[in-house]
Amino acid sequence: NAGVTQTPKFQVLKTGQSMTLQCAQDMNHEYMSWYRQDPGMGLRLIHYSVGAGITDQGEVPNGYNVSRSTTEDFPLRLLSAAPSQTSVYFCASSYSMDGGRSTEAFFGQGTRLTVV
Amino acid sequence: AQKITQTQPGMFVQEKEAVTLDCTYDTSDPSYGLFWYKQPSSGEMIFLIYQGSYDQQNATEGRYSLNFQKARKSANLVISASQLGDSAMYFCAMRDPGGFKTIFGAGTRLFVKA
Repeated sequence: NAGVTQTPKFQVLKTGQSMTLQCAQDMNHEYMSWYRQDPGMGLRLIHYSVGAGITDQGEVPNGYNVSRSTTEDFPLRLLSAAPSQTSVYFCASSYSMDGGRSTEAFFGQGTRLTVV
Repeated sequence: AQKITQTQPGMFVQEKEAVTLDCTYDTSDPSYGLFWYKQPSSGEMIFLIYQGSYDQQNATEGRYSLNFQKARKSANLVISASQLGDSAMYFCAMRDPGGFKTIFGAGTRLFVKA
């Protein structure tokens, strides 16, 4: 199994450009989420999805859109890139609650995005 | 609102010694899950250990154990017999009772000295 696959691994954008970060998982996980990681701030939740067709906002959703048309894919769209969106982006997926217990998240390798 | 606090930006430990990484959390929900993840310099996120809020015993996974003190709302990670490969960033995280969202602390960078 490939697990969680993110593409691209690196990207440089100019201010105002748009782009889509791809995320795919082959574990049939219901839950998928996007985080950004900035120095000294840990991982902050951007958007998440509890299943195909269902998405919701996390802590820092402004400037980002998501959709979940299939269980496998959860792309993150930057509408008009800004230097403040320079960060490392992680996609994660996990099973739903298993017998009442949470399950750990499986992470992609990350996308390092620079907006100039 | 839920919150995770890791107060140690950086920690040093001598190889083969034990180290405790602190984590406190805040939530009003009685049901939640607590996690620790390791992020080495290569950047990937590696799951280490999980503790459920209703678990009676502290979780252990090999050299990792979680010192869970529910009344104090703390979930400290203990690494026994530190190895050079343990040098990494460590994140404490909490999942809400619906299992929808996981929030992370700011992380602690651990340096293991030979």
